[in-house]
Amino acid sequence: GESVGLHLPTLSVQEGDNSIINCAYSNSASDYFIWYKQESGKGPQFIIDIRSNMDKRQGQRVTVLLNKTVKHLSLQIAATQPGDSAVYFCAEKTGNTGKLIFGQGTTLQVKP
Amino acid sequence: DTAVSQTPKYLVTQMGNDKSIKCEQNLGHDTMYWYKQDSKKFLKIMFSYNNKELIINETVPNRFSPKSPDKAHLNLHINSLELGDSAVYFCASVGTPKETQYFGPGTRLLVL
Repeated sequence: GESVGLHLPTLSVQEGDNSIINCAYSNSASDYFIWYKQESGKGPQFIIDIRSNMDKRQGQRVTVLLNKTVKHLSLQIAATQPGDSAVYFCAEKTGNTGKLIFGQGTTLQVKP
Repeated sequence: DTAVSQTPKYLVTQMGNDKSIKCEQNLGHDTMYWYKQDSKKFLKIMFSYNNKELIINETVPNRFSPKSPDKAHLNLHINSLELGDSAVYFCASVGTPKETQYFGPGTRLLVL
């Protein structure tokens, strides 16, 4: 079946360092990918997205990389801050119903 | 200003009871979703409505019945609540094209 997975359940980084969160997806027909950030007690919040016809997209302090050959997605956060501490989810979309399939989530812990 | 809102935020109830949770979005989106997030933070889609029409119905017990009175509202009614229904339920909405979904703050349901 379809699945989107993240490689590490928890990632601990030092404040100021760069963070890389990885995600593997299984459906080669997926045409849209998205990263969400979920802080404790809140709903998932959109960070950045990328369509399958791109391999890189940059936002403010965040970059998403898409490697369709190996079905891999990553989120890079530059100069990680304490406010970046949260659970990060990748999700993929296949078809036109808008259905998103979420990965398990990676908890990012930022050490001061 | 709230884009996607849910009520109640917390819901504690006894097994066997019937309860409803409500969702409203003021984004003008046509499509709304219900997700369930379990204790391990895994997010799974339950239902989706597009312009009051059910378009996604995952394998969910028929004790769960979504209702969409208009495209800005999607409610979830749960009959005969069970202990395993305890979770956080998130509502989300998306515009056209169906890509970036915006999530509500969640309803934390605890069945005792």
